[in-house]
Amino acid sequence: AQTVTQSQPEMSVQEAETVTLSCTYDTSESDYYLFWYKQPPSRQMILVIRQEAYKQQNATENRFSVNFQKAAKSFSLKISDSQLGDAAMYFCAYRYTSGTYKYIFGTGTRLKVLA
Amino acid sequence: EAGVVQSPRYKIIEKKQPVAFWCNPISGHNTLYWYRQNLGQGPELLIRYENEEAVDDSQLPKDRFSAERLKGVDSTLKIQPAELGDSAVYLCASSLDLLGGVQETQYFGPGTRLLVL
Repeated sequence: AQTVTQSQPEMSVQEAETVTLSCTYDTSESDYYLFWYKQPPSRQMILVIRQEAYKQQNATENRFSVNFQKAAKSFSLKISDSQLGDAAMYFCAYRYTSGTYKYIFGTGTRLKVLA
Repeated sequence: EAGVVQSPRYKIIEKKQPVAFWCNPISGHNTLYWYRQNLGQGPELLIRYENEEAVDDSQLPKDRFSAERLKGVDSTLKIQPAELGDSAVYLCASSLDLLGGVQETQYFGPGTRLLVL
């Protein structure tokens, strides 16, 4: 079965610095989607960035970028120029592209941004 | 554009009581998801609808949980009777799924926080 592992329960970063959140996953599929979601204390999940497995180019969205290593089944999120508003829980998620199209979420990483 | 709407935002009930959650997805979204999120965990899928059809309910505890999506729009998730272990945040999400598994962004609602005493 597919699993998503986030080994860092909590991370801290100084404002304006860069931080990388780790995610690994296990799958036998060749095509799938990967996502990073942000969940602020208000609890509404927001999509940060997505990556299609068939694309070798790493996705970027402004200050957010990913390092997608398909062979290693690794999908890390880099946040540059961290801001106080980046403080939240970050969840890595995997989605099938066939069958049930089910999402599998990791357990999350709590990011603290220090002023 | 209005987001995913959920109500109520908070609910406190005693065990063995029934409870229902309501979700209104983003207009035009054909796929609707119900998730349960326990404290300190990621969301776990309970049920997924494509239009009015439940296409994945393998994680739904069918002895006490039920769900429906009338006319492929709004959805209701019910628990009867509730147990202490049902205390969690129940999240609804929606997306526009196209042919071949291509999917637009999944948008989440604010969730309903349930406390069973």
